[in-house]
Amino acid sequence: AQSVTQPDIHITVSEGASLELRCNYSYGATPYLFWYVQSPGQGLQLLLKYFSGDTLVQGIKGFEAEFKRSQSSFNLRKPSVHWSDAAEYFCAVGAPYGGSQGNLIFGKGTKLSVKP
Amino acid sequence: DSGVTQTPKHLITATGQRVTLRCSPRSGDLSVYWYQQSLDQGLQFLIQYYNGEERAKGNILERFSAQQFPDLHSELNLSSLELGDSALYFCASSVGDRGDGYTFGSGTRLTVV
Repeated sequence: AQSVTQPDIHITVSEGASLELRCNYSYGATPYLFWYVQSPGQGLQLLLKYFSGDTLVQGIKGFEAEFKRSQSSFNLRKPSVHWSDAAEYFCAVGAPYGGSQGNLIFGKGTKLSVKP
Repeated sequence: DSGVTQTPKHLITATGQRVTLRCSPRSGDLSVYWYQQSLDQGLQFLIQYYNGEERAKGNILERFSAQQFPDLHSELNLSSLELGDSALYFCASSVGDRGDGYTFGSGTRLTVV
């Protein structure tokens, strides 16, 4: 079955420290891959996406993610975390090009807290 | 402002009642998606419409229905409400039908009492 696993429910990092949020997926083919961020009381905002090509993807707010086919992973990274990055982060997968449906499968999310 | 408008923002209603949630997609987007977010289930896909037609169906209960109108806005109807239907309901939109990057609305928080 198609699924997305975010193994870390809650992560706390110090401001200025580096960050890596993990995401593993189970899918028949290489899916479209996404990271979204949700601040309290807000909708989800797209940080970055991967469809094909270069496996290192740059996104907004200084985030990047690396697709590793052999590990079925799409981990999100940021070299230096800011207090404003505190939020919940969701990894998602979608049907690759050629699919006729646009629904995404989301992980359960990782809540990021930032220590001053 | 993401460009996707959801109304109302908050809704409190009693069990057994029926409510309608409304979504106006971003200008130019033809697809509308509905998701339910709850603490125990996370984000669950409910249904997708593309240019007025149903395109995909997920874990949507029979008590729930949706439609997309000619002006592309969409409504999600929830009936015979139960306590367990309390959740955040998100609408998202995209230009095409492949889900290659949604824009989400800020959601409707439904509380069933």
